Amino acid sequence: GAVVSQHPSRVICKSGTSVKIECRSLDFQATTMFWYRQFPKQSLMLMATSNEGSKATYEQGVEKDKFLINHASLTLSTLTVTSAHPEDSSFYICSASSGFRSSTDTQYFGPGTRLTVL
Amino acid sequence: AQSVTQPDIHITVSEGASLELRCNYSYGATPYLFWYVQSPGQGLQLLLKYFSGDTLVQGIKGFEAEFKRSQSSFNLRKPSVHWSDAAEYFCAVGNTGFQKLVFGTGTRLLVSP
Repeated sequence: GAVVSQHPSRVICKSGTSVKIECRSLDFQATTMFWYRQFPKQSLMLMATSNEGSKATYEQGVEKDKFLINHASLTLSTLTVTSAHPEDSSFYICSASSGFRSSTDTQYFGPGTRLTVL
Repeated sequence: AQSVTQPDIHITVSEGASLELRCNYSYGATPYLFWYVQSPGQGLQLLLKYFSGDTLVQGIKGFEAEFKRSQSSFNLRKPSVHWSDAAEYFCAVGNTGFQKLVFGTGTRLLVSP
């Protein structure tokens, strides 16, 4: 089956620093990757959609200058939380899809990254 | 706009008993429907999906779901719950399998001995 990895699994950083989270599709080429944020005991909220080689499309209310997304290759997308603050602490989950081959293609989710900003 | 409602925040089921988790959706066209499970601190694992065809869908771990267009529902069922099924369950809807999904708020399943 399709496998998506995320690194790191958890990270603790000081307020004001930047943190980069990687999302990799290990055994397929991901045309499209999605970044979600999940607050404790809540659902996943889509932050942005990225297509390889294109600028990410951000959902309403998500600051694109704060959450930088790069999808430079078909197997790697990165989310950089810039100048992180305690309110950015959350569980970040990526998903990947080969996309556009068939409408029945499915997203595969990574295991998530727990970010704690002190 | 697409939306998903999971009316039950928590459900407690005895081990060995049957389970049904409710999911209602609002969608203007033919929906693509999914059930995911999330264990503590983990990402999401796909249990099953419905795109078209037979309205009763079989998934992994003994789960099944039934699509009822007239009721805009996609309820998840399992005939006999195991303690390892304790987790958070999310229903989601999309217009395709690979485009962005809208998730429900989740139902936390607790399994009692």
